[in-house]
Amino acid sequence: SQQGEEDPQALSIQEGENATMNCSYKTSINNLQWYRQNSGRGLVHLILIRSNEREKHSGRLRVTLDTSKKSSSLLITASRAADTASYFCATEYGNKLVFGAGTILRVKS
Amino acid sequence: DAGVTQSPTHLIKTRGQHVTLRCSPISGHKSVSWYQQVLGQGPQFIFQYYEKEERGRGNFPDRFSARQFPNYSSELNVNALLLGDSALYLCASTPLRGANVLTFGAGSRLTVL
Repeated sequence: SQQGEEDPQALSIQEGENATMNCSYKTSINNLQWYRQNSGRGLVHLILIRSNEREKHSGRLRVTLDTSKKSSSLLITASRAADTASYFCATEYGNKLVFGAGTILRVKS
Repeated sequence: DAGVTQSPTHLIKTRGQHVTLRCSPISGHKSVSWYQQVLGQGPQFIFQYYEKEERGRGNFPDRFSARQFPNYSSELNVNALLLGDSALYLCASTPLRGANVLTFGAGSRLTVL
């Protein structure tokens, strides 16, 4: 089974609203990453947060990490139609990344 | 600089056939990983190669094999194709051994009929 699980599975919001996606994982981690995928194409790395960090920002993205609860959240502020995509969290396990099933975000204009 | 390039972008095969997918990493990246993404799921790890040696293998049958060439490009081979092998096959590269931050190609979409 996959290490990370995203919640919700799908999210539909209006342009300008904020979108929050959550990720839970099972084992101890060194870091956690978020990736984005447009229309079944390649994944694009968004942000990496290390296990000793609690919050990280990159532009309109804010990621939090709670290692005691083995969970992370990705907040996209002031969403745009171009943010419509699938978002995946991923944790390192040996030489591989283990991805969750993803959250499908739809931003309506 | 060119990103990670994969070929072909789309292909259709029938059950029992074999397929070869190709990947060229970002210049300077010595590590290539392969992932399978079935529709509606997240990518699943198949192989990692670093400096032309296999460094990791996921839970896939022996029908799946790969190799890395001296120029760090890579091939993924799948023999005796099954309907369940239909998926998007993603190649990713990184300069370092291990997972770290991956740069993905656009993928090769395989349909098995």
